[in-house]
Amino acid sequence: DIQMTQSPSSLSASVGDGVTITCRASQGISTYLAWYQQKPGKVPKLLIYDASTLQSGIPSRFSGNGSGTDFTLTIRSLQPEDVATYYCQNYNSALTWTFGQGTKVGVK
Amino acid sequence: QVQLVESGGGVVQPGRSLRLSCEVSGFSFSSYAMHWVRQAPGKGLEWVAVISYDGNNKDYVGSVKGRFTVSRDNLKNTVHLQMNTLKNEDTAVYYCAKGGRYSGSYYPFDHWGQGILVAVSS
Repeated sequence: DIQMTQSPSSLSASVGDGVTITCRASQGISTYLAWYQQKPGKVPKLLIYDASTLQSGIPSRFSGNGSGTDFTLTIRSLQPEDVATYYCQNYNSALTWTFGQGTKVGVK
Repeated sequence: QVQLVESGGGVVQPGRSLRLSCEVSGFSFSSYAMHWVRQAPGKGLEWVAVISYDGNNKDYVGSVKGRFTVSRDNLKNTVHLQMNTLKNEDTAVYYCAKGGRYSGSYYPFDHWGQGILVAVSS
């Protein structure tokens, strides 16, 4: 099975800072990569799909990039409401659907 | 709007069975694949199972194969997860999630239920 590895596992940044999370797939998955945000005690929410397409209603400070095995999620200007755990996910069905282990983002 | 509502969770002893249900509304249920995802306490997300739009194709994560069965009733807009021979490590919040059209291939999970807790304990 394909493995998805995120880094870092956690980070803390100041309001207004830029933040980047990395996700690496153990095999090439083209751009079949999504990012989800899960706020504490809440349901996961789809942020980005196809590696770089913003889901409807998601603020433009979120962006995604990458293809093949290496992907990034960037928050351009961190806001207090962005405190959450972020997960990447591959959805190339030949390899099943697999999540990364998550990156916990906090505000200093 | 799209809504997914899980039911059937609870506390169960190891080795016993439990059946989860997820009733959906707000989209053409019979055209979409559906997924189950779980999250153990304090842990990350784990994809569990998928069922195609017509119920003819199913797949599972390795740790539940042979124990869990996913099914759907397109007349009642409901998807089920039959969980047999439950183990302590199956303890988690279980979410149903909407996939893509037909087999769900090449599509993420764009709507999620609120989740339901399954606790396996003696």
